[in-house]
Amino acid sequence: QKEVEQNSGPLSVPEGAIASLNCTYSDRGSQSFFWYRQYSGKSPELIMFIYSNGDKEDGRFTAQLNKASQYVSLLIRDSQPSDSATYLCAVTGSGGFKTIFGAGTRLFVKA
Amino acid sequence: GAGVSQSPSNKVTEKGKDVELRCDPISGHTALYWYRQRLGQGLEFLIYFQGNSAPDKSGLPSDRFSAERTGESVSTLTIQRTQQEDSAVYLCASSSQLAGDNEQFFGPGTRLTVL
Repeated sequence: QKEVEQNSGPLSVPEGAIASLNCTYSDRGSQSFFWYRQYSGKSPELIMFIYSNGDKEDGRFTAQLNKASQYVSLLIRDSQPSDSATYLCAVTGSGGFKTIFGAGTRLFVKA
Repeated sequence: GAGVSQSPSNKVTEKGKDVELRCDPISGHTALYWYRQRLGQGLEFLIYFQGNSAPDKSGLPSDRFSAERTGESVSTLTIQRTQQEDSAVYLCASSSQLAGDNEQFFGPGTRLTVL
């Protein structure tokens, strides 16, 4: 079992729709959860982080964390073509600051 | 201020040669990470430095890989006797890790091609 799992996609949504990206992790003691966006040929950049159970909203983005289910998700409202990228889920484990990344989900937003 | 920088941006080498990749973190960032990203794949953790603590080397794939960091500044990742499967983008990231914040800022990467 991979430590951090994501559906590789591609996930295709029409412009203006909600895109839902999901991630599960295996280390029950994980402390911090991150979503990074990576455009093709570019380096990852942080979109959101979440530490506590529940929802965290930032503009069009909402991160959701359920530690009991070991599940974290990212919702993108009013999706734009510029949101088309690979979204990487990252988890910092219970042993320190070592961060494990998922393989990423490719998102396509169709104009 | 300046972001994370890496050099070289591209490196082409022959199988069996040694290569050295450099990372300059954001000034003041105590934590530094190295990752490998193969084409179309996710980020593979290699090594993590935090201040003067012993580095977490648990991700290094073989003893051909090593990394050093001088204090809280420059880091170098060395790959000895390169193999074709070492071809990838090597990404460096730094983090301030203040108050538990582990946001990582990535450099542009070094694209390594082993012929």
